[in-house]
Amino acid sequence: DVKVTQSSRYLVKRTGEKVFLECVQDMDHENMFWYRQDPGLGLRLIYFSYDVKMKEKGDIPEGYSVSREKKERFSLILESASTNQTSMYLCASSPYLGQSREYEQYFGPGTRLTVT
Amino acid sequence: DQQVKQNSPSLSVQEGRISILNCDYTNSMFDYFLWYKKYPAEGPTFLISISSIKDKNEDGRFTVFLNKSAKHLSLHIVPSQPGDSAVYFCAASARQTGANNLFFGTGTRLTVIP
Repeated sequence: DVKVTQSSRYLVKRTGEKVFLECVQDMDHENMFWYRQDPGLGLRLIYFSYDVKMKEKGDIPEGYSVSREKKERFSLILESASTNQTSMYLCASSPYLGQSREYEQYFGPGTRLTVT
Repeated sequence: DQQVKQNSPSLSVQEGRISILNCDYTNSMFDYFLWYKKYPAEGPTFLISISSIKDKNEDGRFTVFLNKSAKHLSLHIVPSQPGDSAVYFCAASARQTGANNLFFGTGTRLTVIP
């Protein structure tokens, strides 16, 4: 079974703080993704990575950065948290193109971040 | 601009009846479509998918229909069960472009009434 874990289920931070959200997958997947989920807006892609040290911007990268130093780990960084970054953050992974079921993404349980 | 749209934010159905969830898309490059189910405080889980070369895919109680000319797909759940109550997301991808991204809709909250 694919397992994607996220470092925290709930997090409360103050405006201006630097926030790290960690994601680890155990299936040797090449691709990893960070989304945020907001009511009425669905899942919006922040950043993704298709290989170690590689990253691509998604639809809403402003205010975020990412780091992928190891294949199994993908970190989302809020350099200076703001109240409009209060959201549910979801990490996902998927195998590389050409492998079976390559378009299924496997999601972690999410981190509910509140910025006050 | 939302390329995948789910125009019904919520749907209530009696247990045992059919649930029909709808999804529309605008990008003609999309060639693979997926449905995900999400319970509160959990990540989305994959439910069923369909390639654009098919118009129907069935898996147990779940069937997805694709109408490419209308850029429309639907998920049918028959019979609906209380455990099906969740938020359902439609997603699409353009495999022919080599992209790994999925584009998600805004979700439909299904409530199955016992």
